[in-house]
Amino acid sequence: SQTIHQWPATLVQPVGSPLSLECTVEGTSNPNLYWYRQAAGRGLQLLFYSVGIGQISSEVPQNLSASRPQDRQFILSSKKLLLSDSGFYLCAWSVESTGELFFGEGSRLTVL
Amino acid sequence: GQNIDQPTEMTATEGAIVQINCTYQTSGFNGLFWYQQHAGEAPTFLSYNVLDGLEEKGRFSSFLSRSKGYSYLLLKELQMKDSASYLCAPPQGANNLFFGTGTRLTVIP
Repeated sequence: SQTIHQWPATLVQPVGSPLSLECTVEGTSNPNLYWYRQAAGRGLQLLFYSVGIGQISSEVPQNLSASRPQDRQFILSSKKLLLSDSGFYLCAWSVESTGELFFGEGSRLTVL
Repeated sequence: GQNIDQPTEMTATEGAIVQINCTYQTSGFNGLFWYQQHAGEAPTFLSYNVLDGLEEKGRFSSFLSRSKGYSYLLLKELQMKDSASYLCAPPQGANNLFFGTGTRLTVIP
């Protein structure tokens, strides 16, 4: 069966520090991968998606970046965090045929 | 975006029935998803309508009208554990799902 994991689950970072969130998927090949962000009391905002290794599409301009160094690995990064980067970050993969999303456990980022 | 419109909050009584409506701007891609999200947790899949009509799955049913850009989620025999946010998500492109801000449902005794 397919599983998705992301880490760390919780982190508190100072403004201006770097960020790296990692996500891995097991049990499937060539999945579509996604990073979403949910600010407090807000909806899910699609940040990046990837249809294959090295292929990244960005949905919103920001100081975040994403990379897919391996088929089932998706990384979200920032060189310098802003206060507005605080939120709940969710990695997800989708089933090609239906588009159904399966989410990781989420990473809660607080930037101080 | 998809101009997804859902009520922000709803309150219903345990054992009752509640209908959560969603309207959206059609994009030419079929289908619509509903997800449930408990506070502090990741969303989980509830239903997927690819064609018009009603899909029933236990206490939950979902309806879709593609031409009208309209869907609803129907929850029957409400339980306290149904208190959560319900997210309407129409596809945007072959690879993307866009989510509305969700409807926060509170079930009261």
